[in-house]
Amino acid sequence: KAGVTQTPRYLIKTRGQQVTLSCSPISGHRSVSWYQQTPGQGLQFLFEYFSETQRNKGNFPGRFSGRQFSNSRSEMNVSTLELGDSALYLCASSLAGMGTAEETQYFGPGTRLLVL
Amino acid sequence: GQNIDQPTEMTATEGAIVQINCTYQTSGFNGLFWYQQHAGEAPTFLSYNVLDGLEEKGRFSSFLSRSKGYSYLLLKELQMKDSASYLCAVRRLTGGGNKLTFGTGTQLKVEL
Repeated sequence: KAGVTQTPRYLIKTRGQQVTLSCSPISGHRSVSWYQQTPGQGLQFLFEYFSETQRNKGNFPGRFSGRQFSNSRSEMNVSTLELGDSALYLCASSLAGMGTAEETQYFGPGTRLLVL
Repeated sequence: GQNIDQPTEMTATEGAIVQINCTYQTSGFNGLFWYQQHAGEAPTFLSYNVLDGLEEKGRFSSFLSRSKGYSYLLLKELQMKDSASYLCAVRRLTGGGNKLTFGTGTQLKVEL
């Protein structure tokens, strides 16, 4: 079974631009979560989507948004990019996100975003 | 809110045993995960604990004490490839959903 895939793997943008990142979960997984990873802050939760609905949200400004499609694929968008948005953006999928013992999140390889 | 603490760095010798500790404070606890992350790669799942006690998986074991808000990851027969960052993550009940809060990670260096 294929793992979580993310595109693009690397991205360079300039301040003020906007960016869209894509995530395809493991087949059969319906929950998709997004995280930002930086050297100083570690892994921080952005949001979680399930059945095309945002179910949980972290403490990030409204410039960060996302959506999920009917096939469970997800995208996240960052508008008006700032230098501090440079980070590794990780997507993780799980079966249904119901918090049971079987619910483990599996991570994709990430998209490394550099904002100049 | 949540607070997760783990040591920043640890060094150990090939073939030895190392224990990486994690303490947490949270409400609605619903499980603790350990992930391994090599530099430039995605985190990979190592272990999961939701009840008190020890879970063993080959060279890796993880322990949980919910009353103490404490977990540890035990790595035996260390190999050079075990040099990586080890992330402790706590899952919290949010009325459904899968929100994990991660510690900042413990960078383990295995030396000859």
